[in-house]
Amino acid sequence: DIQMTQSPSSMSVSLGDTVTITCRASQDVGIYVNWFQQKPGKSPRRMIYRATNLADGVPSRFSGSRSGSDYSLTISSLESEDVADYHCLQYDEYPPTFGSGTKLEIK
Amino acid sequence: EVQLVESGGGLVQPGRSMKLSCAASGFTFSDYYMAWVRQAPKKGLEWVASISYEGSSTYYGDSVKGRFTISRDNAKSTLYLQMNSLRSEDTATYYCARPPFAYWGQGTLVTVSS
Repeated sequence: DIQMTQSPSSMSVSLGDTVTITCRASQDVGIYVNWFQQKPGKSPRRMIYRATNLADGVPSRFSGSRSGSDYSLTISSLESEDVADYHCLQYDEYPPTFGSGTKLEIK
Repeated sequence: EVQLVESGGGLVQPGRSMKLSCAASGFTFSDYYMAWVRQAPKKGLEWVASISYEGSSTYYGDSVKGRFTISRDNAKSTLYLQMNSLRSEDTATYYCARPPFAYWGQGTLVTVSS
């Protein structure tokens, strides 16, 4: 199975910060990486699809990038509504595999 | 508007069975693969199973293979997950999702405990 190694597991952040979360794939997954935001008690919300594409309705302060097998989610000028858990997912091949998640907390 | 609504969760004893349903609307159900994803309390997301358009192909995670069965009824636009021989480690919120995972249901909690 493809492993998605996500880091960091948690981050203490301030409003207005630029935040970057990374997933490293254990083998080539091409562009088939999604990023999800999840708030307590809610379903995951897709934020980025195919590594770099902003999903409908997602603020432009969110962006996705790829460098080789490293995939990153960046949030520019963090707002209070962005405090949540974030997950990556590879769906290039079965089984689809998620990263272990990143919890954003306010300092 | 795409909607996925899960039902059927609850408390079940270890070793027993439970069947989850996911009612889909707002899209042509038979045009899409469908999937189940679960999340144990305070844990990450885990893909459970997927099914092809007509149900002829199914895929399972290692942790549920041989115990869970995914199926669908395209006439009813409904996805199912039959869970047998349940274990405490199957305790989780189960989400129905439409690959490539743009759409998710609200989830249904399954608690396996005596």
